Amino acid sequence: KAGVTQTPRYLIKTRGQQVTLSCSPISGHRSVSWYQQTPGQGLQFLFEYFSETQRNKGNFPGRFSGRQFSNSRSEMNVSTLELGDSALYLCASSLKEGDEKLFFGSGTQLSVL
Amino acid sequence: KQEVTQIPAALSVPEGENLVLNCSFTDSAIYNLQWFRQDPGKGLTSLLLIQSSQREQTSGRLNASLDKSSGRSTLYIAASQPGDSATYLCAVRANQAGTALIFGKGTTLSVSS
Repeated sequence: KAGVTQTPRYLIKTRGQQVTLSCSPISGHRSVSWYQQTPGQGLQFLFEYFSETQRNKGNFPGRFSGRQFSNSRSEMNVSTLELGDSALYLCASSLKEGDEKLFFGSGTQLSVL
Repeated sequence: KQEVTQIPAALSVPEGENLVLNCSFTDSAIYNLQWFRQDPGKGLTSLLLIQSSQREQTSGRLNASLDKSSGRSTLYIAASQPGDSATYLCAVRANQAGTALIFGKGTTLSVSS
């Protein structure tokens, strides 16, 4: 059974650009969560999607957005990139909303120059 | 606002040593607590999950305890091995709805042979 797949693995952007990251959950999983990991702040919750609806949102500016498709795949978008957006973005999937067992992908390493 | 702290930030031990990693949280009203392992540049792997009503969980050489009233959890690793070298993260979940986790910044463990 394939794990959580995140693409791309690495990404380099410049300030002011926008970026879209993709996450394919484990087959059959319907809930997807996104986290940002930085050396200074550690891991911080971004948002959670279930059945194409955002269920929960962390304390991030509106430049961070996401969506989930009918096949449970999810994308997150960051507009008007800032240097501080450089981070490892991790996606986690679970079978259903509120499921305790989370399975994490290897992440997308975003560098903003 | 819930805050999770992990001490120490880094730890180096020789192979075979037993060790304890600490995690504290400010709000005792948690739903559960998880310990994760993260290898460099990789996602997270769940090690142990303790429900708020439980006192401890064990898996192989790992034992995690939870004292909700004092806001503390420990992860005990017996007979450490070089393969245990990784960053260990503690995370609490506030309630049953949604899967948003609040993470500590982790303890980076290095086990030398």
